Amino acid sequence: GAVVSQHPSRVICKSGTSVKIECRSLDFQATTMFWYRQFPKQSLMLMATSNEGSKATYEQGVEKDKFLINHASLTLSTLTVTSAHPEDSSFYICSAARGRSPYEQYFGPGTRLTVT
Amino acid sequence: RKEVEQDPGPFNVPEGATVAFNCTYSNSASQSFFWYRQDCRKEPKLLMSVYSSGNEDGRFTAQLNRASQYISLLIRDSKLSDSATYLCVVNGSGGGADGLTFGKGTHLIIQP
Repeated sequence: GAVVSQHPSRVICKSGTSVKIECRSLDFQATTMFWYRQFPKQSLMLMATSNEGSKATYEQGVEKDKFLINHASLTLSTLTVTSAHPEDSSFYICSAARGRSPYEQYFGPGTRLTVT
Repeated sequence: RKEVEQDPGPFNVPEGATVAFNCTYSNSASQSFFWYRQDCRKEPKLLMSVYSSGNEDGRFTAQLNRASQYISLLIRDSKLSDSATYLCVVNGSGGGADGLTFGKGTHLIIQP
């Protein structure tokens, strides 16, 4: 159990375009989903916390108008990188948390975004 | 001070050896603690949660010292497949599902 899928796994796009990434919990309902970003040789950094039916909470320094998050159901969250630039190239990973302590999070396989 | 600190390694150990990793965290109000492993260019996978009383899962033993804000992971009888980066991870202080704070990870290489 506790499988999280993410799509696409890899995307290359041109500067100025938008990219949508989907995150799904396949066999459980996730009370909360999270979006992380990982640059090479760096640790994962939390970008935003997403609860179904409410606005996402963004970490300091993350632009909410650039990284649009929609959490349509207890099993689906989407991240849209708008007007992508080369510096947005990174490994984007979502996670989904079960609704009980210790709120272990299960990660999707990640999306490697390259902006040219 | 970094929120979660780990020795980056790499730790090169022979197969069958016992290896220990340590981690310290800065937020004394943190509620939940985990060890994840991450293989190269892959997502982190939960290895185990860490409980105050310490806990064991097969060859893996985790310990938590809240007073010292210190977490450890012990791997016994290491296998080649244990080669990975081990991430010390701390949950927030608000209770409930909070975003995780990751250490940079300790790179482990098991040698045949």
